[in-house]
Amino acid sequence: KQEVTQIPAALSVPEGENLVLNCSFTDSAIYNLQWFRQDPGKGLTSLLLIQSSQREQTSGRLNASLDKSSGRSTLYIAASQPGDSATYLCAPTYSSARQLTFGSGTQLTVLP
Amino acid sequence: GAVVSQHPSRVICKSGTSVKIECRSLDFQATTMFWYRQFPKKSLMLMATSNEGSKATYEQGVEKDKFLINHASLTLSTLTVTSAHPEDSSFYICSARDTGTSGNEQFFGPGTRLTVL
Repeated sequence: KQEVTQIPAALSVPEGENLVLNCSFTDSAIYNLQWFRQDPGKGLTSLLLIQSSQREQTSGRLNASLDKSSGRSTLYIAASQPGDSATYLCAPTYSSARQLTFGSGTQLTVLP
Repeated sequence: GAVVSQHPSRVICKSGTSVKIECRSLDFQATTMFWYRQFPKKSLMLMATSNEGSKATYEQGVEKDKFLINHASLTLSTLTVTSAHPEDSSFYICSARDTGTSGNEQFFGPGTRLTVL
């Protein structure tokens, strides 16, 4: 069974800090991996997509890395802002036709 | 990124009625869409995979006669909750896979909050 674990489950930081969210997955034979954010009562916003052949992707203050051999991905958020407060979900896919497998998420609170 | 819409965003209905939720990919065609259910403070639970022009594939434990899925076009999938009961109250989210992107990125709708009285 493919499992995805996200640590920590919750994180509270002061504004301006750099932070790292961790994701681990049991099956390293992934096709790609997406990071999403979800605001309360809302749908998911895709942040970054990393293909299995890539090691990292960057978008603005966000950087996601992928280490397939160790079954890990990290999301780095630089200079955090209160608007970054949300739940962050990582989700690998195991083939082009398969659905996402979601972790339980990290609930981030950035304090002004 | 690509846009996926859902309608309605919120619905309140009486027990025993049926509710239809629409999921549309606005600027791309999606041969595959997914329907998820999310309980408060929980992660998303995949209910079914909706395939354009064919029957949906349901996850174990999801009643296909209870949750009817139709994917009649490349931009529209519908989920009908039949004879809804209070335990069906939940947040329903759809996603669509954009095969036009490198890596088949998935995009999510804003969700539909269903409350069954």
